[in-house]
Amino acid sequence: DAGVTQSPTHLIKTRGQHVTLRCSPISGHKSVSWYQQVLGQGPQFIFQYYEKEERGRGNFPDRFSARQFPNYSSELNVNALLLGDSALYLCASRVRYGTDTQYFGPGTRLTVL
Amino acid sequence: AQRVTQPEKLLSVFKGAPVELKCNYSYSGSPELFWYVQYSRQRLQLLLRHISRESIKGFTADLNKGETSFHLKKPFAQEEDSAMYYCALLNAGGTSYGKLTFGQGTILTVHP
Repeated sequence: DAGVTQSPTHLIKTRGQHVTLRCSPISGHKSVSWYQQVLGQGPQFIFQYYEKEERGRGNFPDRFSARQFPNYSSELNVNALLLGDSALYLCASRVRYGTDTQYFGPGTRLTVL
Repeated sequence: AQRVTQPEKLLSVFKGAPVELKCNYSYSGSPELFWYVQYSRQRLQLLLRHISRESIKGFTADLNKGETSFHLKKPFAQEEDSAMYYCALLNAGGTSYGKLTFGQGTILTVHP
């Protein structure tokens, strides 16, 4: 099993652009969560999805959105990028929604210039 | 609001010495706590979860509800333990059910 996979690995954008990040969960996992990790800080919760429905949202502006597909993969979209959106974006998957252990992907490094 | 505090950004010890990484939390319910580790150029991975009461790679962590702490300990540090360690608290209820709140992390360096 390859574990959680994310694409792309790295991304460079300019202010005002939009970006789409992708995540494929571990086979059999139906819940995906997204976290933002700014340099020097711990990951911060953005979204949680289970069975294609949003099941929680962190303190992020509406420029951030996400969705989950029937195959349980997920996309994170960020519109009108700001310099402060530069971070490592982590995806985590787990079997069910709630208290199951979360397994993290390698992350997508987003740089906004 | 829930919060996780790791007071030490950096921790250095010598090989064979005991190591303790501190974690304090703030949470109104019954806490579920984790330690995650990130080795150089690797993904974040689970080290241990308090409800399983396992010892992984010689590390243990005891939940102390009175002191609201979940410190990670190892009696004899090894060079391969050098990594970034994150303490995390699981939200077990409410609108953010299943959300993990992370501390800022502690970089552990074990010198030969």
